[in-house]
Amino acid sequence: GAVVSQHPSRVICKSGTSVKIECRSLDFQATTMFWYRQFPKQSLMLMATSNEGSKATYEQGVEKDKFLINHASLTLSTLTVTSAHPEDSSFYICSAPTGQTQYFGPGTRLTVL
Amino acid sequence: GNSVTQMEGPVTLSEEAFLTINCTYTATGYPSLFWYVQYPGEGLQLLLKATKADDKGSNKGFEATYRKETTSFHLEKGSVQVSDSAVYFCALSESYGNKLVFGAGTILRVKS
Repeated sequence: GAVVSQHPSRVICKSGTSVKIECRSLDFQATTMFWYRQFPKQSLMLMATSNEGSKATYEQGVEKDKFLINHASLTLSTLTVTSAHPEDSSFYICSAPTGQTQYFGPGTRLTVL
Repeated sequence: GNSVTQMEGPVTLSEEAFLTINCTYTATGYPSLFWYVQYPGEGLQLLLKATKADDKGSNKGFEATYRKETTSFHLEKGSVQVSDSAVYFCALSESYGNKLVFGAGTILRVKS
């Protein structure tokens, strides 16, 4: 099946710094990618839809100025958590659709100290 | 809005037991339905899917039938193995390639 990668897999940062997470579709092109957030022992919550060549679409309650999304190419979307705080610590997962299936990245564990 | 409700876990079974994980949904239209599995330390993988009423999705011994009349998509397996231990997520999408709405996830633990 198709492969989606994320980098880094884990990141620890100090409060107030910014962190960039990359999501790549390795063997297919994706005009749309999705970013989810997963809290411990909870489900995935959609944060935003990343659109190649246009602005991302954010879900209600997600701060677009805090979670910056850039879909730079047909194989790369980035999520930047700006001025991170401990409450932003979470597991961030991206996905990309191809054909009739969505493929998920392995996730990025963000810990903000 | 759309939503998915799953039975709470964890579900603990002995090897070769029968598995059912209940999933019901609320949607304004006619969504596609999915089961995803997340093994420890790994990302989500599509387990099976169904796109219209009465469709049955199946994979690796798991199956689920799209029941429009009861708005359900229960996951079943006749004989579970230890290797099936994972978190199972029921999800819906208004259309292929579109965003997914997930249930809370159900932890399955299978003991030998």
